[in-house]
Amino acid sequence: GQQVMQIPQYQHVQEGEDFTTYCNSSTTLSNIQWYKQRPGGHPVFLIQLVKSGEVKKQKRLTFQFGEAKKNSSLHITATQTTDVGTYFCAGSTSGTYKYIFGTGTRLKVLA
Amino acid sequence: GAVVSQHPSWVICKSGTSVKIECRSLDFQATTMFWYRQFPKQSLMLMATSNEGSKATYEQGVEKDKFLINHASLTLSTLTVTSAHPEDSSFYICSARELGQRYEQYFGPGTRLTVT
Repeated sequence: GQQVMQIPQYQHVQEGEDFTTYCNSSTTLSNIQWYKQRPGGHPVFLIQLVKSGEVKKQKRLTFQFGEAKKNSSLHITATQTTDVGTYFCAGSTSGTYKYIFGTGTRLKVLA
Repeated sequence: GAVVSQHPSWVICKSGTSVKIECRSLDFQATTMFWYRQFPKQSLMLMATSNEGSKATYEQGVEKDKFLINHASLTLSTLTVTSAHPEDSSFYICSARELGQRYEQYFGPGTRLTVT
């Protein structure tokens, strides 16, 4: 079945450093979403990418969808302590509305 | 807008009993709702897709007789964990896709189930 892997599994950074998480799908995706989950909370939708090679920015966050639509990345510039949490990608394939979540990357930011 | 609620937020039950979890879309109509399960420090595992008025579609490995899903209206889906066992203890999260929307799904706050 479809698998979505993320690397790294964990990342500790000093406040102010950059952070990147990578998402790789075993199958071609129709679109991909990114979520942030704070400890004890539920996933919160960040963004959706649909087009091949698409790049979207939200303040310090940059999201990219690969040309082959099988991978994606989330880059955070100059991390802050408020960025702490687990970041999940979730991919959907054509013809379905269900999303398979990636394994997640847990980010800790040290002040 | 686009708020999804879940009830209860946490529940403790004894082994062998059944527990019902409700998922409601408060300000929109949800043609499709999804049920996920999340173990501590792990990812969300899709359990089933629920469409209003029809039978749920379960993911491989999920027992449909154990996890009963009912989507009786465009704003309510329920998940019943039957004959619960300690290994069913988990965080159950629902999400809803709004009528007419193709991609976005909105998550509920989750229900923490502990089976003793």
